[in-house]
Amino acid sequence: AQSVTQPDIHITVSEGASLELRCNYSYGATPYLFWYVQSPGQGLQLLLKYFSGDTLVQGIKGFEAEFKRSQSSFNLRKPSVHWSDAAEYFCAVFTGGGNKLTFGTGTQLKVEL
Amino acid sequence: SAVISQKPSRDICQRGTSLTIQCQVDSQVTMMFWYRQQPGQSLTLIATANQGSEATYESGFVIDKFPISRPNLTFSTLTVSNMSPEDSSIYLCSVILAGGSAFDTQYFGPGTRLTVL
Repeated sequence: AQSVTQPDIHITVSEGASLELRCNYSYGATPYLFWYVQSPGQGLQLLLKYFSGDTLVQGIKGFEAEFKRSQSSFNLRKPSVHWSDAAEYFCAVFTGGGNKLTFGTGTQLKVEL
Repeated sequence: SAVISQKPSRDICQRGTSLTIQCQVDSQVTMMFWYRQQPGQSLTLIATANQGSEATYESGFVIDKFPISRPNLTFSTLTVSNMSPEDSSIYLCSVILAGGSAFDTQYFGPGTRLTVL
């Protein structure tokens, strides 16, 4: 069965520092990959997605992610973090076999001013 | 994208009662889903709401506990029946917009925060 692993439960970075959130998936074929952000008291907002093509995808709010098939990873990055980026980030994978979206356990990002 | 509203936004309920959560979308959608997010945990798919027919439930979720209706393309309800404190969670609906496939982007509502005493 497909699965998604986000190894880091909590990450703290200083405002202006770079950020990388890790995501690893388990699936035999090329998956459809997503990153969502959930701010306190709010629903999930899509940051970016990968379906095919270029392995580096750009998203909203200055985020990007790189798909690495050899490492089964889809890490999220941002060159300079803003205090408003503090939130919980979820990686998700859609696989045709289960026909559903499977979410990772999430990474809670704290930004120090 | 779409504007998705959920009612109520939060509720505190007594053990043994039931709560119905509504999800309304402002545009045509292909698919609607209901998720549960237990405290401090990730999202788990409860079921796919099918228009005019019974919902498709994921393993571990049953219709008697989580009856779902979807009378038209833009509206669905989820009922949490005979509640216990273990049902305290955030319940979210999500949609795939019309013309989209099963693997397309899901757009999420703001969620309903349920506390069962």
